[in-house]
Amino acid sequence: ETGVTQTPRHLVMGMTNKKSLKCEQHLGHNAMYWYKQSAKKPLELMFVYSLEERVENNSVPSRFSPECPNSSHLFLHLHTLQPEDSALYLCASSHYPDREYEQYFGPGTRLTVT
Amino acid sequence: AQKVTQAQTEISVVEKEDVTLDCVYETRDTTYYLFWYKQPPSGELVFLIRRNSFDEQNEISGRYSWNFQKSTSSFNFTITASQVVDSAVYFCALSEAPGYALNFGKGTSLLVTP
Repeated sequence: ETGVTQTPRHLVMGMTNKKSLKCEQHLGHNAMYWYKQSAKKPLELMFVYSLEERVENNSVPSRFSPECPNSSHLFLHLHTLQPEDSALYLCASSHYPDREYEQYFGPGTRLTVT
Repeated sequence: AQKVTQAQTEISVVEKEDVTLDCVYETRDTTYYLFWYKQPPSGELVFLIRRNSFDEQNEISGRYSWNFQKSTSSFNFTITASQVVDSAVYFCALSEAPGYALNFGKGTSLLVTP
């Protein structure tokens, strides 16, 4: 595997379900990001982890819970979501500090909340 | 507050035409970074270019060129002799620090037809 991978690629869940999105990077990076891409809205940064510490949390509802167990893996735990949470969730990684500006993105998880 | 505007929602061109994607930004920071990303139908965002606020040199990479003008707060992207494979959504983004809080525009969907 190369680059940034995300699983699952598609996920349909009910509002009472609990699920997790997984992101893995094979680039030797040490910063990872979660973005949300909704229809007709700009990409929104959700969380940033740098050196496995959460350094940014953009007022994301608590029903989204990130986890970064090591520099290669990032999870987004989901529970009691709302239909408006349906979106494409993108993971990205970069190398801090020398090449932070080059964020490499995964293919995303298309989430549908019913 | 930072803001990125991509006024063109959708552009359709015929193969071999030149096309320019507009990006206008707002920021109070004197140091900032501008980016262009490409999102093909597969969903994965692909990094194209980063430009620092203190470097106004235009850049050319093959059929791609970028025109950065601080006087008009614009960072436009031109594809010369477009090809069908250029069909994608293109995002302009702004950051005050490398790697953090990429503020994306809403994207321009480019369709290149044979």
